[in-house]
Amino acid sequence: DGGITQSPKYLFRKEGQNVTLSCEQNLNHDAMYWYRQDPGQGLRLIYYSQIVNDFQKGDIAEGYSVSREKKESFPLTVTSAQKNPTAFYLCASSMRQGANYGYTFGSGTRLTVV
Amino acid sequence: AQKVTQAQTEISVVEKEDVTLDCVYETRDTTYYLFWYKQPPSGELVFLIRRNSFDEQNEISGRYSWNFQKSTSSFNFTITASQVVDSAVYFCALSVPLETSGSRLTFGEGTQLTVNP
Repeated sequence: DGGITQSPKYLFRKEGQNVTLSCEQNLNHDAMYWYRQDPGQGLRLIYYSQIVNDFQKGDIAEGYSVSREKKESFPLTVTSAQKNPTAFYLCASSMRQGANYGYTFGSGTRLTVV
Repeated sequence: AQKVTQAQTEISVVEKEDVTLDCVYETRDTTYYLFWYKQPPSGELVFLIRRNSFDEQNEISGRYSWNFQKSTSSFNFTITASQVVDSAVYFCALSVPLETSGSRLTFGEGTQLTVNP
């Protein structure tokens, strides 16, 4: 079955460490996205990519980095520069063209800084 | 800039009650799409409905119905005869086309619905 796989489901990080969240899709979607979810704040866009080897900053990109070397993969690195990284992270994908396609979401990664 | 407002942070109802979740949006685009997603405790967002800016017909799907009114920039969601399994966070979202290609999806802050037995 087609879908998005995020791993790990739970991740613990020590302060000062970088961590990478995995996102893989087999939907043949061109566009991929990373969102951060905090309680009471909805989902905020971190980075998005419309095509391989290209990506754009979203609303809260500071302290994060991404790469898009393959169509299927869009890993997110949470760097030590991110001041408050504890949150729920959701990856999504969509068809590239047009605003009418809904997004397919992964099941998320819950990151906790200890 | 786009904005989606869900003024109801939390709603609690008793099973079989009807409940309406409000959504108000802002955009300067004339072509846009509105969505509702459900987020159960497992965390994954589940797509419920999509509506484009040129189609103001209301839609009913089983116990779910949606009321889209461009005049008030609202896209409200009603659950009839609510059930415990409806308990979840519900997000309203707005999608607008980007200048180059693709789209950008902006979410509201979500409404936590709790249906008590």
